[in-house]
Amino acid sequence: EVQLVQSGAEVRKPGESLKISCKGSGYSFASYWIAWVRQRPGNGLEWMGIIFPGNSNIKYSPSFQGRVTISADKSISSAYLQWSSLEASDTAMYYCARSGPEEVDHWGQGTLVTVSS
Amino acid sequence: SSDLTQDPAVSVALGQTVRITCQGDSLRNYYASWYQQKPGQAPVLVLYGRNSRPSGIPDRFSGSSSGNTASLTITGAQAEDEADYYCNSRDSSGNLLQWVFGGGTKLTVL
Repeated sequence: EVQLVQSGAEVRKPGESLKISCKGSGYSFASYWIAWVRQRPGNGLEWMGIIFPGNSNIKYSPSFQGRVTISADKSISSAYLQWSSLEASDTAMYYCARSGPEEVDHWGQGTLVTVSS
Repeated sequence: SSDLTQDPAVSVALGQTVRITCQGDSLRNYYASWYQQKPGQAPVLVLYGRNSRPSGIPDRFSGSSSGNTASLTITGAQAEDEADYYCNSRDSSGNLLQWVFGGGTKLTVL
């Protein structure tokens, strides 16, 4: 069974850094793209970027380029999303998801990030 | 703004048929995939490609595409179909690694 398990909820202050994780199991982690998706409270889904763990090829959405860093470690079947300086506007649920050629077929449970002073 | 445009809200009577649409220039070249999201839950893939359903998705969900518009049709809507629905495809840049979601459609089953 394909599973993506994300790290737990986080609370940070503005200006702080953060790295959240997504661990895949039940398939060849290095062979599928992993996408990150943001959902602000009461809002829709936003595509942040995508990484191929096999070679760490990354593509960021223009809206998120320079604001976050996506990475992966295929040796432990994990992908990461990190911020160097959080803002209140980063408060959201963040999902990782496995991406096929035409679709995102499996989603993590989400990680809630709250940024508040 | 989004490269993919959806109606914010649609309603359907129980047991009737409803179509949810997604418009965007990239849909002339790429298929849309569709996701169902219920409150407090992660999205779930319900349709992808030309008209493919993942295992476990009822056959009352179907898809079609014409020109710049992709559609998700629910034939015989059930109470459990009440949810937000999002379309997803490549964006209009032409880069195969740039994807975008539509703004979402809230489906109410009356």
